[in-house]
Order: sequence, then structure tokens, then C-alpha cells
Amino acid sequence: KQEVTQIPAALSVPEGENLVLNCSFTDSAIYNLQWFRQDPGKGLTSLLLIQSSQREQTSGRLNASLDKSSGRSTLYIAASQPGDSATYLCAVRRNTGGFKTIFGAGTRLFVKA
Amino acid sequence: DGGITQSPKYLFRKEGQNVTLSCEQNLNHDAMYWYRQDPGQGLRLIYYSQIVNDFQKGDIAEGYSVSREKKESFPLTVTSAQKNPTAFYLCASSRDRGRYEQYFGPGTRLTVT
Repeated sequence: KQEVTQIPAALSVPEGENLVLNCSFTDSAIYNLQWFRQDPGKGLTSLLLIQSSQREQTSGRLNASLDKSSGRSTLYIAASQPGDSATYLCAVRRNTGGFKTIFGAGTRLFVKA
Repeated sequence: DGGITQSPKYLFRKEGQNVTLSCEQNLNHDAMYWYRQDPGQGLRLIYYSQIVNDFQKGDIAEGYSVSREKKESFPLTVTSAQKNPTAFYLCASSRDRGRYEQYFGPGTRLTVT
């Protein structure tokens, strides 16, 4: 059974700091991994999608890496800003069993001005 | 603008009443999904549909029903059989069930008293 864990559950950093959010999954048989951002009371916004054959994806100040063999992904945020404050979720799509997507519980990030 | 709309944003119902949540997309996506989000937990899949007139149960389908009569629309009915219906409900879509990223609507917060 695929399980997705995100550590830490919450993180508070000063503005300008570079930071790393972690996502681990138990079954390496994945199709892709997607990182999302969620603001309080809102839907999810897609940040980055990494296919299983890829090692990383970049968008602006965000860089996501994928290591399937170790069951890990990281989301790197450079030069954090107060506007980055949100909950970040990772989601793993299996490549069997109907391509089901399993979500982590998220990391709640607070960037202090 | 292309996207996913959900209505209403907030919904209040008395116990014992059925309620239908709306989800519409104009992205021309084949696959649509309904998730439930509870505090501190990852999203859990209720139902998904890969194509018009077809849908499959997810992990927590008991007490819910759906229909997919049009490609653009995937309404979710929360029935009185759902034991704990108060939650945040999120609708999503993707080009297909495998490779492509999921896009989410803004969510509906349902409160049942």
C-alpha cells in the first residue's frame, strides 16, 4: 500500500531563507509526482509535475527533485517571501491499480517578514 | 478563462438531507475527480470518472453518489447515509488518468448540523 509522508508538518522561517520541504513514499512504482500549494480555505494550485523518468523540474524559485529508488522528493524554495506562506502538498500517482493518486498531509509553511 | 468551478463555496445542511455539490470544467479534460479533505489529513478520493457515462468508486465512496452525463460536469451528491459529511470537498480534472497533472477547483465547504 502506497503511503506518502511529508516532514516537517509545519515550518517557520525568516524571509529570504532558502528552504527544503520533504516528501517520502513507500512504493517506488509511481507514474509521476506532483507538488501543490494550498492557501487557507482554497483549492490546490499545481506547482510542479515530475514524471517517473525525470529527476527534477524547475519553475522560477522552485525546484523539485525525485529519487524513485529511495522513495523521496524534495521541493526547494529559494529566497523565500511572505507570499510563499501556505501549505505545500505532494501527491504520488501510482502506475498500477487505476493510476490512483495518494496525497501527503502537507507541510504548513510560514515565512516571517 | 479556462478552469474548474465549484459551487457553492459554503453549504449548510441539516442532518438527514441530501445535498449536491457542483463541479464544472472548461478545460476539455476527460478525467474528473472528487476528493474530501479533513483537517490534518491528506486528500482522500471519493469518486473518479475517466470518460462520460463512466465513473468508479474511490477509497471512501460510501454515502456519496456521482453522475457524468456531460464531459464538463461531474456533480457529487452527499446522501444522508454519509456518517460524517462535514468536510472540505475538492473537485479536480486532468487530461487523462495517467500522465497529466491534475487541476483543482476552489472547493466547497459543507457543514452538516
